[in-house]
Amino acid sequence: AQRVTQPEKLLSVFKGAPVELKCNYSYSGSPELFWYVQYSRQRLQLLLRHISRESIKGFTADLNKGETSFHLKKPFAQEEDSAMYYCALSGFGNEKLTFGTGTRLTIIP
Amino acid sequence: NAGVTQTPKFQVLKTGQSMTLQCAQDMNHEYMSWYRQDPGMGLRLIHYSVGAGITDQGEVPNGYNVSRSTTEDFPLRLLSAAPSQTSVYFCASTGGGNTEAFFGQGTRLTVV
Repeated sequence: AQRVTQPEKLLSVFKGAPVELKCNYSYSGSPELFWYVQYSRQRLQLLLRHISRESIKGFTADLNKGETSFHLKKPFAQEEDSAMYYCALSGFGNEKLTFGTGTRLTIIP
Repeated sequence: NAGVTQTPKFQVLKTGQSMTLQCAQDMNHEYMSWYRQDPGMGLRLIHYSVGAGITDQGEVPNGYNVSRSTTEDFPLRLLSAAPSQTSVYFCASTGGGNTEAFFGQGTRLTVV
């Protein structure tokens, strides 16, 4: 069975401070990991995926297979980063996504 | 290019009523899915489809039916609404090979 754990339901960070949203997963095969974001009154959208190894809006995430983690990081938080963030997993070659419970990030001005 | 379109945006039902949530995509994606979003529980998969004529159950299928007669459309039917089905429902579509999942704007359903 595949499982995604996001231990923090709520996270508040001051503007300019570093941000780290935690994500751990459980999957027996080769996983594909994603971060999705939902801004206020907008639809859920892909933020980044581990296979692309890119930085989007200053966010990065590294897949650590040893620790089964895919934490999302940003060195300097901005107010527009306030949103709901979901970590998600799928099996390689399988479109079925399993989501974590989400972390609501609030950036304090 | 509209992407994924869900209707309605809001709906209030009485217990026992039935209704259909509509979902359509214009990206020729084979894979479509329905999720419900509840506070503290994230998004949970209700039903999914890997192509026209093929559907399967997700994590929380009870009380819901789906069909996929065309590639474009994937409606979700509530057979007899219950207060436990009060939630926000999202439809998504995905191209093959773990590409990005595109989501609709959601349907906020309240069952009283």
